Amino acid sequence: GQQLNQSPQSMFIQEGEDVSMNCTSSSIFNTWLWYKQDPGEGPVLLIALYKAGELTSNGRLTAQFGITRKDSFLNISASIPSDVGIYFCAGTFQTGANNLFFGTGTRLTVIP
Amino acid sequence: GAVVSQHPSRVICKSGTSVKIECRSLDFQATTMFWYRQFPKQSLMLMATSNEGSKATYEQGVEKDKFLINHASLTLSTLTVTSAHPEDSSFYICSARDPIPGQDKEKLFFGSGTQLSVL
Repeated sequence: GQQLNQSPQSMFIQEGEDVSMNCTSSSIFNTWLWYKQDPGEGPVLLIALYKAGELTSNGRLTAQFGITRKDSFLNISASIPSDVGIYFCAGTFQTGANNLFFGTGTRLTVIP
Repeated sequence: GAVVSQHPSRVICKSGTSVKIECRSLDFQATTMFWYRQFPKQSLMLMATSNEGSKATYEQGVEKDKFLINHASLTLSTLTVTSAHPEDSSFYICSARDPIPGQDKEKLFFGSGTQLSVL
């Protein structure tokens, strides 16, 4: 199946710094979702985006659905140690579609 | 958000035995649930779509006789790994779709995963 290209693969940042990661696809997506996964746990939904250009925030997290519908980014402001984890983007071609395609993940490490 | 409960969180079994993993939607009804597999440091790969009251739909390359899926109610789907072998060792995660009433939107929520280790 299709895989989304997510970058960067990993990041090491100082506590308090802002973080930005993005996801691109060769195909147009209808829905973009951003998840965070801690070791040994399932992914937890952070933000859901449903239309091109949509900008949505959830606390210190902000995500945008790209205008071309082929990309999305996630920003984390003022990072804290508990932000450590793997962040995945995911998308569907259409609402109700069975296939939720996942990005390759961005592993975030926050140095206190 | 909606809660998806998965059990057990970890299981160790001998080669040749079968293992059942349960996935429950606790505060919503899920006509469709999904089963994913994740290898260490890799992304999630969809294995199959579980449909309440009908047969599951398997992704290409996933053996339906190996990974039995039953979705007997609107809140429960089970995945049984039959005659497990060491190569079946992996992290298995279920998810369920929670549609937002009256809107053409939905969200997908995940269980906490099951780490299967086959000796």
